[in-house]
Amino acid sequence: GAVVSQHPSRVICKSGTSVKIECRSLDFQATTMFWYRQFPKQSLMLMATSNEGSKATYEQGVEKDKFLINHASLTLSTLTVTSAHPEDSSFYICSARGPRTNYGYTFGSGTRLTVV
Amino acid sequence: QKEVEQNSGPLSVPEGAIASLNCTYSDRVSQSFFWYRQYSGKSPELIMSIYSNGDKEDGRFTAQLNKASQYVSLLIRDSQPSDSATYLCAVNIGNQGGKLIFGQGTELSVKP
Repeated sequence: GAVVSQHPSRVICKSGTSVKIECRSLDFQATTMFWYRQFPKQSLMLMATSNEGSKATYEQGVEKDKFLINHASLTLSTLTVTSAHPEDSSFYICSARGPRTNYGYTFGSGTRLTVV
Repeated sequence: QKEVEQNSGPLSVPEGAIASLNCTYSDRVSQSFFWYRQYSGKSPELIMSIYSNGDKEDGRFTAQLNKASQYVSLLIRDSQPSDSATYLCAVNIGNQGGKLIFGQGTELSVKP
């Protein structure tokens, strides 16, 4: 089956620093990956669509200069939260569609970010 | 109007009963529909996908899709306490690069 690995699973950082989250498709190539954010008791909110070899497409209201997305290969996408603030504390989840277009979406295990 | 809507619940059913979860969506072009289960603090896990009108059964789970009414549902038969979780309806929004949009989720509690 399709596996998406996400690291780290949990990170605590100081306010003002940057944090990088990695998302890897382990057994298939993912030309497109998606990044979501989930606050407590709320649903997953799509932040951006990450396309291999091109710029990410951000959803309305998501600051592209704050949430940097890089999709340099067919198996790796990274999300960097820059100049993190306590309000950025959330559960960040990546997903990829594959290995076939009708397979559905596979999710990473998520990253719990706490900014102190 | 939200793109994908669900009743947030909580929905409480006794063990062994049928749990019925409902979802409506606004985009008529949508072709792919998914039900995910999410336990607290965990990532969503796929339960069912459905692409055609009608019913699709997998074990204790049945997904129902009605594109004319823009409605998709999930039935859980013989509900177990381990089914207690938040159930997320997700829709692949048509003509938007495969984006998967989630409803707000329905919290299900199965009482022993």
